Amino acid sequence: AQKVTQAQTEISVVEKEDVTLDCVYETRDTTYYLFWYKQPPSGELVFLIRRNSFDEQNEISGRYSWNFQKSTSSFNFTITASQVVDSAVYFCALSEAQGAGNMLTFGGGTRLMVKP
Amino acid sequence: DTGVSQDPRHKITKRGQNVTFRCDPISEHNRLYWYRQTLGQGPEFLTYFQNEAQLEKSRLLSDRFSAERPKGSFSTLEIQRTEQGDSAMYLCASSLGDSTNYGYTFGSGTRLTVV
Repeated sequence: AQKVTQAQTEISVVEKEDVTLDCVYETRDTTYYLFWYKQPPSGELVFLIRRNSFDEQNEISGRYSWNFQKSTSSFNFTITASQVVDSAVYFCALSEAQGAGNMLTFGGGTRLMVKP
Repeated sequence: DTGVSQDPRHKITKRGQNVTFRCDPISEHNRLYWYRQTLGQGPEFLTYFQNEAQLEKSRLLSDRFSAERPKGSFSTLEIQRTEQGDSAMYLCASSLGDSTNYGYTFGSGTRLTVV
């Protein structure tokens, strides 16, 4: 069965610091997809990135970057020069190609607090 | 494209009452998903529809939970005989076809409080 673990429940940083959110996953499927979502206080889940299991290239989007390593089953997310607006709960999620309707299995989330 | 709408945003109900939530997906999206999120946890999958067909419902939490999507457009999630443990955020999401290719769009959720 699939599982996603986000070991860091809460992280607090000062603005402009870099911060890395860890994600470790388990799956028996060879084809799967990994996601990161942001959940601000308003509650809506905001899509950040999707990665498929055959693409291990790291990705950078502005201040955000993602490091996907199949060898360690990890998909970590780094925010460079954090800002107060980055404060939110961040979820890592997994979808298996063989899963029901491509359902998402979420980790427990990491609450990021960026202080001015 | 007005996004995924959920109604109501908040619901307070007494234990034992029935509640129904509505989700209006993005109009061209044929897949619709329901998730539940309890405090401090990630969302957990409940059920999903492709058009009007409910293709997975084994993960609904008990037989008190049911969902419908009668015309393949909006969907309702009903909880009968609510219990305090049902207090949670109920999230709806929709996608066009295979969500792994096109991604999900989530609504803002309905927060249920059972007193």
